[in-house]
Amino acid sequence: GAVVSQHPSRVICKSGTSVKIECRSLDFQATTMFWYRQFPKQSLMLMATSNEGSKATYEQGVEKDKFLINHASLTLSTLTVTSAHPEDSSFYICSARVGEGGHEQYFGPGTRLTVT
Amino acid sequence: RKEVEQDPGPFNVPEGATVAFNCTYSNSASQSFFWYRQDCRKEPKLLMSVYSSGNEDGRFTAQLNRASQYISLLIRDSKLSDSATYLCVVNILDSSASKIIFGSGTRLSIRP
Repeated sequence: GAVVSQHPSRVICKSGTSVKIECRSLDFQATTMFWYRQFPKQSLMLMATSNEGSKATYEQGVEKDKFLINHASLTLSTLTVTSAHPEDSSFYICSARVGEGGHEQYFGPGTRLTVT
Repeated sequence: RKEVEQDPGPFNVPEGATVAFNCTYSNSASQSFFWYRQDCRKEPKLLMSVYSSGNEDGRFTAQLNRASQYISLLIRDSKLSDSATYLCVVNILDSSASKIIFGSGTRLSIRP
């Protein structure tokens, strides 16, 4: 299957700092990538849809100025958590859709963010 | 009401048992359906797609009932390695944009 990587896999940062998470499709081009957040014992919640070359579409309740998404190429999307707070500590997972009309998504391994 | 609802679980069954999970979705614009498996602290992995005609992959059988907006997953002859959280996933076409909604997951634990 298609491979999606994420970096870093784990990051600990201090409150008030910014953290950038990268999501790459390794063996395919992804015009659309998705960013999810998962709190302990909860399901994945879609944060935003990242489209190559255009602005991301954010889900209701997700602050676009806090979670900056850049999808500058067909293989890379980045999520920057700005001015992180402890409540932003979570498991962030990206996924990429294969092909324009594909419904399946392939997930990155996730990034565990801890804000102290 | 949640767009995708699943049995809360957890299910704790002996090895070799048959276990069934249910899932309902509320949005009639739902187009395609999947079951994903997620191991603890790992990303979700696609288990199988779900079709109206029903589909089977080894010990796993998935069914979709569009009229009732209901999806099921049956696992036969369960193995210890089947222990995981199973996520019901629905792809919704909403205002010409497609997005995927995850159920909250059902935790399955297989005991020896």
